[in-house]
Amino acid sequence: KQEVTQIPAALSVPEGENLVLNCSFTDSAIYNLQWFRQDPGKGLTSLLLIQSSQREQTSGRLNASLDKSSGRSTLYIAASQPGDSATYLCAVRRGNAGNMLTFGGGTRLMVKP
Amino acid sequence: DGGITQSPKYLFRKEGQNVTLSCEQNLNHDAMYWYRQDPGQGLRLIYYSQIVNDFQKGDIAEGYSVSREKKESFPLTVTSAQKNPTAFYLCASRMTGSNQPQHFGDGTRLSIL
Repeated sequence: KQEVTQIPAALSVPEGENLVLNCSFTDSAIYNLQWFRQDPGKGLTSLLLIQSSQREQTSGRLNASLDKSSGRSTLYIAASQPGDSATYLCAVRRGNAGNMLTFGGGTRLMVKP
Repeated sequence: DGGITQSPKYLFRKEGQNVTLSCEQNLNHDAMYWYRQDPGQGLRLIYYSQIVNDFQKGDIAEGYSVSREKKESFPLTVTSAQKNPTAFYLCASRMTGSNQPQHFGDGTRLSIL
């Protein structure tokens, strides 16, 4: 059974710092991996999707990497801003059928001005 | 504007009562999903549907039921058999295709009176 873990559970940094969020998964037979952002009391917004054949994806100040063999992904946020404060969740797609996702518990990020 | 609408935003249930959460999408997506999120945790899949008049159980389907009579709508009923229904419920939809991410509504928070 696939398990997804995110460390740390919470992180507080000063504005302007570069930071890395970690995601690990137990079964390397994944179809793709997604990073989401969730603001308090809201739904999820998709940030980046990495196919299993890819090593990384970039969008603006965000860069996500994937190492399937070691079961790890990282989300790098450059020059963090207070508006980046949110919970970040990673999710792995289990296979080709149904697009079922297994989620990690999330990292709650606070960027202080 | 296209999107996913969940209603109500807050819902209260009495013991022994069934309640139905609404999810409507105007994105013309084929697939729809229901997730449950408990405080500080990731999302867990309750049910999903890839096509009208068809749906599949997810990881925690016991005590829940769904229907998919129209492409736009995927209501979730929380039955009295669900002993711990207090949670944040999220609906998602997705266009079929290998690289398509899931899009989420803003959620319904269900509490027990």
